[in-house]
Amino acid sequence: NAGVTQTPKFQVLKTGQSMTLQCAQDMNHEYMSWYRQDPGMGLRLIHYSVGAGITDQGEVPNGYNVSRSTTEDFPLRLLSAAPSQTSVYFCASRMRNTDTQYFGPGTRLTVL
Amino acid sequence: AQSVTQLGSHVSVSEGALVLLRCNYSSSVPPYLFWYVQYPNQGLQLLLKYTSAATLVKGINGFEAEFKKSETSFHLTKPSAHMSDAAEYFCAVTIGGATNKLIFGTGTLLAVQP
Repeated sequence: NAGVTQTPKFQVLKTGQSMTLQCAQDMNHEYMSWYRQDPGMGLRLIHYSVGAGITDQGEVPNGYNVSRSTTEDFPLRLLSAAPSQTSVYFCASRMRNTDTQYFGPGTRLTVL
Repeated sequence: AQSVTQLGSHVSVSEGALVLLRCNYSSSVPPYLFWYVQYPNQGLQLLLKYTSAATLVKGINGFEAEFKKSETSFHLTKPSAHMSDAAEYFCAVTIGGATNKLIFGTGTLLAVQP
């Protein structure tokens, strides 16, 4: 199993550009989440999904969209990037009846 | 609502010394508590978790943590630090079950001096 994979590893955007951060897992996990990590603030939940076709907002959802068309994939979209979205983004997944989340390696995003 | 507070954003110990990383939680219902470790330029890896079973939880790499309800604490310890323990450590809380909302602390960066 590859576990949770994220692409790209690094990305630089200009303000106003759009992009999609990809996340995939091959463990057949129902739950998937997106977090952003900022210095001194830990990880904050952006959006999450409890299964294909079901998504919900986390703590800091503004400026981000998600969809879950398959169990495996959970892309995060930035429609109009802003410098405040400069961060490291982590995707995570877990099985329905467990509490352990598995994290991807992260995407480091810089918005100029 | 749940929250966690990690006291000390930076902790430095000598190799071979005791490691103590502090975490206090707030929860209106019995919590599930976790410690994650993040090595440089990597994702988070689960160290250990408390899910209402034994209050003393043993994890990987010689770490353990004790759930103390009276003190609302879940401090992480290791008797003897190793250079490879240098990393950032995150405490996290959830109410478990159906929720997917894991609430993280702000992290503690552990430095190990030779």
